[in-house]
Amino acid sequence: DGGITQSPKYLFRKEGQNVTLSCEQNLNHDAMYWYRQDPGQGLRLIYYSQIVNDFQKGDIAEGYSVSREKKESFPLTVTSAQKNPTAFYLCASSFLQGATNEKLFFGSGTQLSVL
Amino acid sequence: GNSVTQMEGPVTLSEEAFLTINCTYTATGYPSLFWYVQYPGEGLQLLLKATKADDKGSNKGFEATYRKETTSFHLEKGSVQVSDSAVYFCALNNAGNNRKLIWGLGTSLAVNP
Repeated sequence: DGGITQSPKYLFRKEGQNVTLSCEQNLNHDAMYWYRQDPGQGLRLIYYSQIVNDFQKGDIAEGYSVSREKKESFPLTVTSAQKNPTAFYLCASSFLQGATNEKLFFGSGTQLSVL
Repeated sequence: GNSVTQMEGPVTLSEEAFLTINCTYTATGYPSLFWYVQYPGEGLQLLLKATKADDKGSNKGFEATYRKETTSFHLEKGSVQVSDSAVYFCALNNAGNNRKLIWGLGTSLAVNP
């Protein structure tokens, strides 16, 4: 079945540590996204990629980094510079056809907590 | 600029009650409007969408009508079930690019048996 797979489902970070969240899709989508979800704050865009080897910062990119070496994969690294990393992280993907009605497909999320 | 405002939750209903979750928007031009649903511990999934004025999106007994005159896209369901307990997000796309998707803050719904 086609879809987006995020792993791990739960992740714990020690102070000063970098951690990487995995996101893989087999939907043949060009565009991939990382969102952060905090209670009562909705979804905020961290990074976005339209094509392999290219990505752009979203609204809250500080303290995060990404790579897009393959079309199927868009891992997110939460660096030690991110001082408040505890949140639910969602990866999404979509076709890129320039239409306003294109829907997003989401993974099941990773809950990151600080030890 | 573009924005989406949803009614604050949590909303608590008894099974078989009527549901309305209000969503209003601000946008120039003719955006597409969406409702996404997030079940506990999961990612979001598209519930329904509408792409032009007076369009009605519907799915799983939920409906929403794109009202340009009132800039609204209220979500309704005639008879909710316990399994409808989730967080509902209203969203707007006015740019032909999902990087510019504008999200509401979400409305939590709890349905009691």
